[in-house]
Amino acid sequence: DTEVTQTPKHLVMGMTNKKSLKCEQHMGHRAMYWYKQKAKKPPELMFVYSYEKLSINESVPSRFSPECPNSSLLNLHLHALQPEDSALYLCASSQQGITSYGYTFGSGTRLTVV
Amino acid sequence: ILNVEQSPQSLHVQEGDSTNFTCSFPSSNFYALHWYRWETAKSPEALFVMTLNGDEKKKGRISATLNTKEGYSYLYIKGSQPEDSATYLCAFIDTGRRALTFGSGTRLQVQP
Repeated sequence: DTEVTQTPKHLVMGMTNKKSLKCEQHMGHRAMYWYKQKAKKPPELMFVYSYEKLSINESVPSRFSPECPNSSLLNLHLHALQPEDSALYLCASSQQGITSYGYTFGSGTRLTVV
Repeated sequence: ILNVEQSPQSLHVQEGDSTNFTCSFPSSNFYALHWYRWETAKSPEALFVMTLNGDEKKKGRISATLNTKEGYSYLYIKGSQPEDSATYLCAFIDTGRRALTFGSGTRLQVQP
């Protein structure tokens, strides 16, 4: 299995809702990432998990809460989001250290906050 | 804040043309430089991971070079085909942060 699977592919949520984005990989990668991409902008790093521990939090608002329950799964819990949080949320994984293979990305969750 | 810049922003070429794009990045604290190809509605796909000054990598008709001392990388596509149409992203990793910082991409459109 050489894929990163993200669910759901599309999500529409209200500002008072609680929802979760899921990301799964079975490549044995021990680094996992959440990126946010708004239209016509580059993906921006949100969180990095290394060996299931949060290693980077790019000053993301607390309405985004990441969780890494095991080495294959990464969740992003969403609560009380704002319309400006509407974006494509990309999950990625990689081997630790210098890797010849780059990151493996999922196809993303397109989130719309109404 | 790391500054990774790509040029041009977009490019329209005819099938069979060769083309190249530029990525510039900080020349200090270099760790690695990645190139990704991102087709609409698909996942970004890794093309190259470059770590050494002077690196040259090739994958079919696509090749890339790296100059870490002056902070730039070139991506070349020889004989562009319509299926090469995509956004090409470069991404820089520094020794401190160890996570990708992306450039804004070059959007390539190849006309048959």
